[in-house]
Amino acid sequence: GAGVSQSPSNKVTEKGKDVELRCDPISGHTALYWYRQRLGQGLEFLIYFQGNSAPDKSGLPSDRFSAERTGESVSTLTIQRTQQEDSAVYLCASSGTSGYNEQFFGPGTRLTVL
Amino acid sequence: GNSVTQMEGPVTLSEEAFLTINCTYTATGYPSLFWYVQYPGEGLQLLLKATKADDKGSNKGFEATYRKETTSFHLEKGSVQVSDSAVYFCALSGSNTGKLIFGQGTTLQVKP
Repeated sequence: GAGVSQSPSNKVTEKGKDVELRCDPISGHTALYWYRQRLGQGLEFLIYFQGNSAPDKSGLPSDRFSAERTGESVSTLTIQRTQQEDSAVYLCASSGTSGYNEQFFGPGTRLTVL
Repeated sequence: GNSVTQMEGPVTLSEEAFLTINCTYTATGYPSLFWYVQYPGEGLQLLLKATKADDKGSNKGFEATYRKETTSFHLEKGSVQVSDSAVYFCALSGSNTGKLIFGQGTTLQVKP
């Protein structure tokens, strides 16, 4: 497809379980970002990948959160031992390069932790 | 650290009314400023941007001017339509990574 895709679109899990969220960026985009949007709040930056450089993990809220990216393609965000406060919409975005270029956002994954 | 503050919503207007959504920011250096929009059932998309002081971003009849002296980037439209009903996010990017810092979003509802 032409845009950023994410899967699953919805995920309901029980507290304490691990979840894995997937992002497929636009082909050829070297920069990839993950954000989180809690209900009624703005988006919070989580992590940034740029090519083969070390990722910027400064936004990850705890060590239960991790992310990987294979080259310049798919990225997965993993949340271990989920907590109710992890419930949010997780958005992925990609751009042609880093810096001030437009970021294109995926539709998001809505995570609900019971 | 860097931050963005938007006026709280929801904002409800009649069609053809004038729109202003206030946005102010705190940042070191010279950030780029953005407005993103999220229409019902759709993903977040860039509406307009400005990369330096006094720049005016514009798109689809919306405008915003980068005011460094007041650290503001207010969104305006002269005549709103029902189709403009959406959530609007102000954001800044102050680093060379391009990571965005968002305001909390403002919901706009336009009634016919």
